[in-house]
Parts: sequence; structure tokens; C-alpha cells
Amino acid sequence: ETGVTQSPTHLIKTRGQQVTLRCSSQSGHNTVSWYQQALGQGPQFIFQYYREEENGRGNFPPRFSGLQFPNYSSELNVNALELDDSALYLCASSFGTGGRHTEAFFGQGTRLTVV
Amino acid sequence: DAKTTQPPSMDCAEGRAANLPCNHSTISGNEYVYWYRQIHSQGPQYIIHGLKNNETNEMASLIITEDRKSSTLILPHATLRDTAVYYCIVRVANQAGTALIFGKGTTLSVSS
Repeated sequence: ETGVTQSPTHLIKTRGQQVTLRCSSQSGHNTVSWYQQALGQGPQFIFQYYREEENGRGNFPPRFSGLQFPNYSSELNVNALELDDSALYLCASSFGTGGRHTEAFFGQGTRLTVV
Repeated sequence: DAKTTQPPSMDCAEGRAANLPCNHSTISGNEYVYWYRQIHSQGPQYIIHGLKNNETNEMASLIITEDRKSSTLILPHATLRDTAVYYCIVRVANQAGTALIFGKGTTLSVSS
């Protein structure tokens, strides 16, 4: 157990809808990263939040957005869902200070199905 | 794109050592080698990381060649629960905003 929890575990949405996924980071961690993992592929980096600010982003469109709260939990929001957004969404947390971060620990993921 | 090359699959008998190779010929001097594994439909699990010296923890050992162009993850006594996809990743050490870039990894199958 990593102490990183994600909710919900499974979700089914209709194309065009919006979805919010949630992540609680491990105690003491102040950095959260989000990844998308399509079936049969490795996880792909979406973005990272450090002390409530986005400080890194992968090749994902603006309809993928996020938030980090003062308690360092985080949300991933996806607007205008497309069928290709069906994937396992993973959250990872780490502790950063002075530009250095510990290794990242992952949650169990949210399985999103878009129909 | 991932900066590492791994064999797509490997087999190992239960109780034997599993040696998983990784090539990272373009690794930079300030990049570490990280290993994660992912058991089916679960989140990736951190295993170990290193810069140039060999590292060992309770899960595995990491052997990095002197030129740092390749490494080997060793599971000393593989069990059925070690069946997973193993990812070798290189990244600048713990830099803010630096993502983990996953390739396709090696699927390790441990059988009795």
C-alpha cells in the first residue's frame, strides 16, 4: 500500500460529458502527477502539480485540466469526453523541496470508460 | 519517447533469479535509472533507482554498467507474485516537473 488513494475506482461516461477524478496523496507529500494508461500501453504523463501550481505538462489538450488543494489532494478534470479517453488514470505523489523530489508512489487508478 | 530499450517478454522459473536487462545508451550524466513494475490493472510500484553505483533493497538489486549505458534489475528469488510488467526509466534526479516517461516495458512471467 502506497497511501495514495484514488476515487472512484471505475466510471462510465458518455461521449461529450465531463468527468472529475480525485486523488489523495501520501501523507507528507506535496506533489501530484497524473498519468493516462491506454490498454496495452505504458502510462503517459498528463501533468504535475507542486504546491498548488502546475509545473509540468505532457502532450495533452487543454480539455485535460487539474487542481491541487491546500492539503495537496488533487483533481483531474476532462471536458468533452471522447471515446479515446477511455483508459486507466493514475495519480502519483512525491515530496519535493528545493527543486528535488523523492520517488513517486502511485495509486491504484481510476478506470474510465467512455461510451 | 522513452529513452530505454527492454525486451518485450521474459520467462523465469519460480525460485530462480530473474535478470531483467535495460539499454539506455543516451543517458546523461545527471540522469538516474528507475525501475517500476505494474501488476495487472494496478498502479505502478516503485522498485529501486540508482545513478552509477549498484543498489540493493528488500525487493531487488540494480546493477549499472560502468559506462552507464545499460543496467540489469535482479529479483534474486522470483515468486509467482513477481509476474508483472517491469519498466526501466531514466530521468533527471527528482527534478521538479520531470515526468516519468514509460516505454512498453518487459512482461515477466514467473511459472512454477
